[in-house]
Amino acid sequence: SQKIEQNSEALNIQEGKTATLTCNYTNYSPAYLQWYRQDPGRGPVFLLLIRENEKEKRKERLKVTFDTTLKQSLFHITASQPADSATYLCALSSGNTGKLIFGQGTTLQVKP
Amino acid sequence: DAMVIQNPRYQVTQFGKPVTLSCSQTLNHNVMYWYQQKSSQAPKLLFHYYDKDFNNEADTPDNFQSRRPNTSFCFLDIRSPGLGDAAMYLCATSRGLVGEQFFGPGTRLTVL
Repeated sequence: SQKIEQNSEALNIQEGKTATLTCNYTNYSPAYLQWYRQDPGRGPVFLLLIRENEKEKRKERLKVTFDTTLKQSLFHITASQPADSATYLCALSSGNTGKLIFGQGTTLQVKP
Repeated sequence: DAMVIQNPRYQVTQFGKPVTLSCSQTLNHNVMYWYQQKSSQAPKLLFHYYDKDFNNEADTPDNFQSRRPNTSFCFLDIRSPGLGDAAMYLCATSRGLVGEQFFGPGTRLTVL
């Protein structure tokens, strides 16, 4: 069956360091992959979308890679700040139906 | 500002008492989604509308129904809430079936 895995353990890093979050998937060939940020008690907020024919995407301090051979996406936040502390969700497309399959998210805590 | 609005933000209902959650959008997007998210879990798609076309997920319980009277509004009806239906309900919109989804702040449902 289709499966998406994000590290359920919280990631704790020091301010200024680069945070790297991982999203692995199996039995799945998504056309594109998205990353969202979710703060406690709030709805997810879109960050980046990367298509299957793209290796890397950047937006300000954010970088996403997409390796369809490894079936993995990495999400990087450079020069992390305490304000980056949140849960980050990856989401994979299911065909062209508009349906997104979300991972359970990884909580990032950036300490000053 | 264009946005997705959900009302109420918090809803308390009794076991078996019908409840309706509402979502409105000023983005003029043609696709609207309803997700259920339980604590520390991934958002799970319940159904979505592409314009007036309703698309139900195969594993969405019959207890959950939806209405979209016009482009701007969408409702989630839970006919007989059970304790297991306590969750955050998220409404989202998108322009077309591919691309980022814009989420509302969510409605936290408590079932007593």
